[in-house]
Amino acid sequence: TQLLEQSPQFLSIQEGENLTVYCNSSSVFSSLQWYRQEPGEGPVLLVTVVTGGEVKKLKRLTFQFGDARKDSSLHITAAQPGDTGLYLCAGRNTNAGKSTFGDGTTLTVKP
Amino acid sequence: EAQVTQNPRYLITVTGKKLTVTCSQNMNHEYMSWYRQDPGLGLRQIYYSMNVEVTDKGDVPEGYKVSRKEKRNFPLILESPSPNQTSLYFCASSLTPRGDTEAFFGQGTRLTVV
Repeated sequence: TQLLEQSPQFLSIQEGENLTVYCNSSSVFSSLQWYRQEPGEGPVLLVTVVTGGEVKKLKRLTFQFGDARKDSSLHITAAQPGDTGLYLCAGRNTNAGKSTFGDGTTLTVKP
Repeated sequence: EAQVTQNPRYLITVTGKKLTVTCSQNMNHEYMSWYRQDPGLGLRQIYYSMNVEVTDKGDVPEGYKVSRKEKRNFPLILESPSPNQTSLYFCASSLTPRGDTEAFFGQGTRLTVV
């Protein structure tokens, strides 16, 4: 079984601060996705990274896929209360149906 | 509207009473999957389906069954539910099994087995 470890598990910061969430594995993935989940809802896709070393930006969010495709990070600049939620990373392998999720990072941004 | 629909949203049942959670998608997606979400454990995959009549086990398949008789539906069946199956369940679908296609999730089914 492939494992994805996310850190930190919980993060509470003030509005305007920067933060980074990490997703690490000893396994190689062909793609890695980041989701955000709000209470009572299903996860919603933020980004997919597929190439080692790839960096993608989504407004104040920056996603990076490690060169060896075993790890990824999510960096949020100038966090806002609207960023509050559960962030999940998920790894997949090409044409393989199995999907592995990290345990999630619960982010709270205080006004 | 493109969506994945799960029913019911909430269910309380007793140990041993068979139940089915339905999942339907209107996007003509090939790939569908079921997950359970428990505090501190993220989402764990139960079963997945690469296409009609093709299903396979995820990481935690014990106590569950699925079927994929038609493309749009992927029901999750608990033949004899037990309290350790109390959880939040999500169904998801994506256009292809490839990991670079977006997965759309349903709104979840909160199941309590007493």
